Amino acid sequence: AQTVTQSQPEMSVQEAETVTLSCTYDTSESNYYLFWYKQPPSRQMILVIRQEAYKQQNATENRFSVNFQKAAKSFSLKISDSQLGDTAMYFCAFLYTGNQFYFGTGTSLTVIP
Amino acid sequence: GAVVSQHPSRVICKSGTSVKIECRSLDFQATTMFWYRQFPKQSLMLMATSNEGSKATYEQGVEKDKFLINHASLTLSTLTVTSAHPEDSSFYICSARDGSVSSYNSPLHFGNGTRLTVT
Repeated sequence: AQTVTQSQPEMSVQEAETVTLSCTYDTSESNYYLFWYKQPPSRQMILVIRQEAYKQQNATENRFSVNFQKAAKSFSLKISDSQLGDTAMYFCAFLYTGNQFYFGTGTSLTVIP
Repeated sequence: GAVVSQHPSRVICKSGTSVKIECRSLDFQATTMFWYRQFPKQSLMLMATSNEGSKATYEQGVEKDKFLINHASLTLSTLTVTSAHPEDSSFYICSARDGSVSSYNSPLHFGNGTRLTVT
């Protein structure tokens, strides 16, 4: 079975600063996909960024980037220049085959003005 | 981008009644849709996988007779909570993947969720 662990239930960051959210996973698969989703107070799940395991280059989407360490099974999310609108729950998700997504327990991020 | 519409966004019902929640993919075809349940400040718990034209696959511990899922077309899946009780009060979220995109790379697209309150 695949497991996804987010060890930081809550985090906070000052506006304009940088914050890193951690995610680790356990799998015996070699080819899989990783995602970060954001859930703001509106409860809408929004895709932030995704990474293919076979790609060594870390994915980047504007202020969001990942540090993907395949050997360590680590997939952290870095948010640069944090904005108030980044306040949300962040979920790490793992997909290796078919349609089964595995979600982490989430990290509640608060951006402090 | 891919849009998933979920209705209603909020519903209050009396104990013992049934409630239907609709999930539609507006601009793509979804051969598979997923239904999640989320408790406050917790992660998403997969309830069932809905497959167009066939029976849904339920996760262990989810009562298929209580949570009826129908996926009659490539753009619509419904979840009916039958004989609802207060413990069924929760936030329900549907999601779908675009069947025309390579399945291993396409993300889940989520509806806005339905907050169910059973009194």
